[in-house]
Amino acid sequence: QKEVEQNSGPLSVPEGAIASLNCTYSDRGSQSFFWYRQYSGKSPELIMFIYSNGDKEDGRFTAQLNKASQYVSLLIRDSQPSDSATYLCAVNMEDGNKLVFGAGTILRVKS
Amino acid sequence: NAGVTQTPKFQVLKTGQSMTLQCAQDMNHNSMYWYRQDPGMGLRLIYYSASEGTTDKGEVPNGYNVSRLNKREFSLRLESAAPSQTSVYFCASSGRVGNQPQHFGDGTRLSIL
Repeated sequence: QKEVEQNSGPLSVPEGAIASLNCTYSDRGSQSFFWYRQYSGKSPELIMFIYSNGDKEDGRFTAQLNKASQYVSLLIRDSQPSDSATYLCAVNMEDGNKLVFGAGTILRVKS
Repeated sequence: NAGVTQTPKFQVLKTGQSMTLQCAQDMNHNSMYWYRQDPGMGLRLIYYSASEGTTDKGEVPNGYNVSRLNKREFSLRLESAAPSQTSVYFCASSGRVGNQPQHFGDGTRLSIL
């Protein structure tokens, strides 16, 4: 079992819709969770991080964490074509020394 | 406002050649990391340095060496390049290892023929 799993996609949504990206992780002791956006040919860019169960909102982005079910999700409201990118989920393992990244989900927002 | 700076941005090597990738950060971060990214594989940790003077292996350290030159700089060396090391290499830094976000450089695109 991979430590951090994401659906590779592509996930296609129409402009203005809500995009929902999901990530599951294997280490029950994980404490920190991060979402990065990566445009083609560019470096990963931090969007959000979440440490506690529940929702965390920042503008059009909401991160949701459920430690009991070991999943973290990212919602993007009012999706724009500029949101088209690969979204990477990263989880800090219990030993605290490293982030493990999922392979990413490709999001395509169609205008 | 440079953040994390990597050099070079592109490089082509022949099998067996050696090379050092440079990384510097100006955010006064304690921890620095080297990743490689291959299609469909996501980011894989090669080595990291939790603080100045320390380095540790990540998931895929074979064929690489690192040096934490000072708090700002963390270099990655390929002693004898192999085609399997063709990849995009990213350097990142964070305040400390663990639960702080990592910030990435622009990457080095390395091709080994």
